[in-house]
Amino acid sequence: AQSVAQPEDQVNVAEGNPLTVKCTYSVSGNPYLFWYVQYPNRGLQFLLKYITGDNLVKGSYGFEAEFNKSQTSFHLKKPSALVSDSALYFCAVRVGSGYSTLTFGKGTMLLVSP
Amino acid sequence: EAGVTQSPTHLIKTRGQQATLRCSPISGHTSVYWYQQALGLGLQFLLWYDEGEERNRGNFPPRFSGRQFPNYSSELNVNALELEDSALYLCASSWRAGTTSNQPQHFGDGTRLSIL
Repeated sequence: AQSVAQPEDQVNVAEGNPLTVKCTYSVSGNPYLFWYVQYPNRGLQFLLKYITGDNLVKGSYGFEAEFNKSQTSFHLKKPSALVSDSALYFCAVRVGSGYSTLTFGKGTMLLVSP
Repeated sequence: EAGVTQSPTHLIKTRGQQATLRCSPISGHTSVYWYQQALGLGLQFLLWYDEGEERNRGNFPPRFSGRQFPNYSSELNVNALELEDSALYLCASSWRAGTTSNQPQHFGDGTRLSIL
């Protein structure tokens, strides 16, 4: 079975400071990893994905994530947070086979203060 | 390009009733996924349809069912509604199943189902 853990329910950061939202995963096989963001009363928006290759993945809105196979982690990062980044962030994983499903973490609320 | 559209936006039902939720995928996408997002429970996978067939099903009772139409749109039916079914139901779409593993799912804004 595959699983995702987002150990922090909430992350607080001041605008302009770097941010990190943590994610660890457990799968049998090679993982495909994704980050999504959800704003209030909206669906999820895709931010970035790791399939293979470079461990540092760059995505939308200045976000990036680092894949670490030995630590089974895929932490989301941004060098300088904006107040508008405040939202709910989800990490997700699936195994690379045709009918595997996407498993989401419980989400981390990011609050960026002015 | 139009995104994933869901209707209705809000739906209010009473216990025991039946609800039908609808989803239109992004043009060209043949896979449609349904998720339940209940308060405090995160995103729970419900159903996955591709090319008209059910490809996978989450750990939900049989009163949760659905189908996919020839134009790839989909509907989710929930029978014998219970209070615990109150949640945001999200639909997502992606390219066809054989090529989906590394492709992101694209989400609609959901249907808020409230059970009174």
